[in-house]
Amino acid sequence: EPEVTQTPSHQVTQMGQEVILRCVPISNHLYFYWYRQILGQKVEFLVSFYNNEISEKSEIFDDQFSVERPDGSNFTLKIRSTKLEDSAMYFCASSDPRDLAGGSYEQYFGPGTRLTVT
Amino acid sequence: KNEVEQSPQNLTAQEGEFITINCSYSVGISALHWLQQHPGGGIVSLFMLSSGKKKHGRLIATINIQEKHSSLHITASHPRDSAVYICAVTNTGNQFYFGTGTSLTVIP
Repeated sequence: EPEVTQTPSHQVTQMGQEVILRCVPISNHLYFYWYRQILGQKVEFLVSFYNNEISEKSEIFDDQFSVERPDGSNFTLKIRSTKLEDSAMYFCASSDPRDLAGGSYEQYFGPGTRLTVT
Repeated sequence: KNEVEQSPQNLTAQEGEFITINCSYSVGISALHWLQQHPGGGIVSLFMLSSGKKKHGRLIATINIQEKHSSLHITASHPRDSAVYICAVTNTGNQFYFGTGTSLTVIP
């Protein structure tokens, strides 16, 4: 069964460094998402991406963050100048445009990347 | 303020019990999602619904758009159902809002 994959599973970085989290969505999906979950807190939406551009973003997704689909398979989240409070689990998800109900799409989540900023 | 509220926050049940988790939301939505997060952290989408009721195996999800309320039911609960169940909604502007989750433990 196709699945969303994410690498690395765990990333440790020093404060101020840049990190790139990588995701490979399901191959025929066209909508891509990033979420974050700080330990012990609820999942938070960061950004959605369609047709090579951001379609929605939350207040959290400020200039420190960027997303890119550098090739036909990868979807990346870049976090510049990381802060301690960026430590979280980051989930990627993707959607098939045919799975539409009420204007929303069923999402398939990756296993997450745990980012630890020290 | 929380756009999505879930209850209960924690739930312990005996194997075989019928379980209900509730979700209320305060925004206009295009769809509501029920997600399952396992202890290892992985998230699985269980249901996406915009009206009525859906059933997958022992899981049933219902939504009442007028009352802005959804329920997730688990029939004949099993220890492998132990997980955090998360309600999330997408509003009409396609913004996503997540509940804080309900932690379910099913005891053999």
